[in-house]
Amino acid sequence: EDKVVQSPLSLVVHEGDTVTLNCSYEVTNFRSLLWYKQEKKAPTFLFMLTSSGIEKKSGRLSSILDKKELSSILNITATQTGDSAIYLCAVDAGGTSYGKLTFGQGTILTVHP
Amino acid sequence: NAGVMQNPRHLVRRRGQEARLRCSPVKGHSHVYWYRQLPEEGLKFMVYLQKENIIDESGMPKERFSAEFPKEGPSILRIQQVVRGDSAAYFCASSGGIANEKLFFGSGTQLSVL
Repeated sequence: EDKVVQSPLSLVVHEGDTVTLNCSYEVTNFRSLLWYKQEKKAPTFLFMLTSSGIEKKSGRLSSILDKKELSSILNITATQTGDSAIYLCAVDAGGTSYGKLTFGQGTILTVHP
Repeated sequence: NAGVMQNPRHLVRRRGQEARLRCSPVKGHSHVYWYRQLPEEGLKFMVYLQKENIIDESGMPKERFSAEFPKEGPSILRIQQVVRGDSAAYFCASSGGIANEKLFFGSGTQLSVL
């Protein structure tokens, strides 16, 4: 059975801190790894990492895929209170079913002013 | 540019009633996915549909749950004879069905079974 594990499960920091969120996976047919941010309810897309694109950056957020270690990290620098959310890691390993994602439990990030 | 629209946002049902959850994908998307998020758990895949076809229902409970995506109109996730354990947030996502394409998620329907 495909499995995605995130750590830590929760994290509390102060504004300006840098955080690193971890995601490891055990899947049969890896296609891509995705990071989503979930505030209130709707998960919003952050990054997709594939064999041909193992590092992505957008503003203060960046992510790296380590295919050898079967893991990924999401870095957030100079955190702000608006970064408080649940960060979800998911792997697309659905064979012919594109979009069949296996999600981790999520990391709850709380940023205090 | 409307995203994925789900309704209702909140649905309360008594045990034994039926729940119908609706999802309109992003305009132009013909692939719809349903995910369930139980309290304290991550999102779990339920079913993947294209217009008028179920592509993968490997995550759907064998009984009481069904899904459709008709040629016209929204996708429907139907839960018959709901039980308390069905209480969860149900998310719909859509895509154009291209390899390595991200999913767009709706805001979910929170189902509460009394």
